Amino acid sequence: DVKVTQSSRYLVKRTGEKVFLECVQDMDHENMFWYRQDPGLGLRLIYFSYDVKMKEKGDIPEGYSVSREKKERFSLILESASTNQTSMYLCASIDRAGGYTFGSGTRLTVV
Amino acid sequence: QKEVEQNSGPLSVPEGAIASLNCTYSDRGSQSFFWYRQYSGKSPELIMSIYSNGDKEDGRFTAQLNKASQYVSLLIRDSQPSDSATYLCAVTYNTNAGKSTFGDGTTLTVKP
Repeated sequence: DVKVTQSSRYLVKRTGEKVFLECVQDMDHENMFWYRQDPGLGLRLIYFSYDVKMKEKGDIPEGYSVSREKKERFSLILESASTNQTSMYLCASIDRAGGYTFGSGTRLTVV
Repeated sequence: QKEVEQNSGPLSVPEGAIASLNCTYSDRGSQSFFWYRQYSGKSPELIMSIYSNGDKEDGRFTAQLNKASQYVSLLIRDSQPSDSATYLCAVTYNTNAGKSTFGDGTTLTVKP
């Protein structure tokens, strides 16, 4: 089975901190995604990547950046964390049929 | 108008009944359609995919697609309390690196 691993299940950070969320997949998938999920707003795409060092902005990229130095790893960076970035962050990769495999999620709280 | 819309729910059915979840999408060029199940506090899990018009069955689950009506549905037969979850409809426009657009989800409760 494809496995997508997110490094932290829960994180608490202070306003203004730089935050790194790590995601690793083990099936050599080319496409990887970062979403955030908030009650009433559903899943919103932050960034995605279709190859090493390639990235594209999603629907809500402001305040975020990403890094994909290796195929299996896709990192989300909050440059200066703010309270409105408190959310559940979900990483995913997709197989050739287009179905997503999600990581277990990181619940980030910014105080 | 949202690109992918689902019944707002919540939907409640008795154990053993058929649960029907509906989804409409706005882009006629959509090619791939998915249903995900998300238990409270967990991440979404892919349960069904469908690519062509008609029905696709997998155990107690049936996905139905009608591209002319831009409509996709999920039927759950013999509903069980363990089916209680939020169901997310997702639509992929294949030219965009497999990027899916998700509906907001319908929360299903199956009562014993």
